[in-house]
Amino acid sequence: GQNIDQPTEMTATEGAIVQINCTYQTSGFNGLFWYQQHAGEAPTFLSYNVLDGLEEKGRFSSFLSRSKGYSYLLLKELQMKDSASYLCAVMDSNYQLIWGAGTKLIIKP
Amino acid sequence: TAGITQAPTSQILAAGRSMTLRCTQDMRHNAMYWYRQDLGLGLRLIHYSNTAGTTGKGEVPDGYSVSRANTDDFPLTLASAVPSQTSVYFCASSDRTGKDTGELFFGEGSRLTVL
Repeated sequence: GQNIDQPTEMTATEGAIVQINCTYQTSGFNGLFWYQQHAGEAPTFLSYNVLDGLEEKGRFSSFLSRSKGYSYLLLKELQMKDSASYLCAVMDSNYQLIWGAGTKLIIKP
Repeated sequence: TAGITQAPTSQILAAGRSMTLRCTQDMRHNAMYWYRQDLGLGLRLIHYSNTAGTTGKGEVPDGYSVSRANTDDFPLTLASAVPSQTSVYFCASSDRTGKDTGELFFGEGSRLTVL
């Protein structure tokens, strides 16, 4: 079966750096997405990786290793507003998105 | 900028009743999707439509139906609601499909409780 694994919850301190990992086992691979979802709100797009390596976008970076079935989202200079769930999703060989359950990130002052 | 609008935002429904969740987008996106989100589970695709006039089944289509009469609207109907359909439902759209599918734009969600 297809599977996306992420930690359920993480805690970090304001101003620090946190890395949220995502491992996947899917039938084929056509890209990996990260979305942010604040409580009670809609998911919003953060990043897309289809080739190995690091994609940087401001305070957020996303890394992909296709051979290891692994990605991470790196958040720097954490702010209280970064408290949210972070969803990892992989597009499989049928171009369907397979979603992880999300990682709830709690930021403490 | 409206983007995607869902209605209602919240609803309590008696088991056995029918219900239609409405979804409208003003971005002229070809593809639209309905997901359900349950605690501890990833978003699960219910139905999708790659273009007006066509629909397809997702991972969990049973008990749900959709229609896509035009580009903008993609309603989701529960013909006879059951308690296991209690969930938060998200409508989404994208301007590309297949391997070129990019960012999904989501509505604010509809919280449905079936008693």
